[in-house]
Amino acid sequence: AQSVSQHNHHVILSEAASLELGCNYSYGGTVNLFWYVQYPGQHLQLLLKYFSGDPLVKGIKGFEAEFIKSKFSFNLRKPSVQWSDTAEYFCAVNAGNAGNMLTFGGGTRLMVKP
Amino acid sequence: DAGVIQSPRHEVTEMGQEVTLRCKPISGHNSLFWYRQTMMRGLELLIYFNNNVPIDDSGMPEDRFSAKMPNASFSTLKIQPSEPRDSAVYFCASRQSTVSTEAFFGQGTRLTVV
Repeated sequence: AQSVSQHNHHVILSEAASLELGCNYSYGGTVNLFWYVQYPGQHLQLLLKYFSGDPLVKGIKGFEAEFIKSKFSFNLRKPSVQWSDTAEYFCAVNAGNAGNMLTFGGGTRLMVKP
Repeated sequence: DAGVIQSPRHEVTEMGQEVTLRCKPISGHNSLFWYRQTMMRGLELLIYFNNNVPIDDSGMPEDRFSAKMPNASFSTLKIQPSEPRDSAVYFCASRQSTVSTEAFFGQGTRLTVV
């Protein structure tokens, strides 16, 4: 069965600091990978996604993520965070043998101090 | 398209009452997911449907929970009888499984059982 691990549950940064959130998944075959963001009181919205091709994926709001197949990782990065990036971030995977099921990690709460 | 539509947005009910949450997926999407989000347990997949058929309901907590998808444009999640520990935000999401796309989330239903 597919599973997703996000090791950082809470992250606190100051504005302009660099961000990297870890995401590891368990499936060894073909995967589709996603990062979603949930701002306080809102629903989940897509930040970026990887299906194939260039393993470095650019998303909205200056976010990017790198798919490293050998490490089963899909870490999210942003070079300089803003206060408005305060939110919860979820990594998700859809494995090739899991039909259409989308499995989410436990989420990482990011707080950016102004 | 108006996106995934959930109703009601907020529901407050007394313990023991029946609760029905509703979801209208994006037109043309053939997969539908119900998630529950709490502070303690994070985002949990309850059940998902492909082409109106329940595929995996292993996340449904117990027999008090049931979900139906009578047609491609409507799904319900029912809790009968409701208990205070069911208090959470319930999200519905839909996806088109035949193309490489992400899942789109509704605004959620905030359920409070007193």
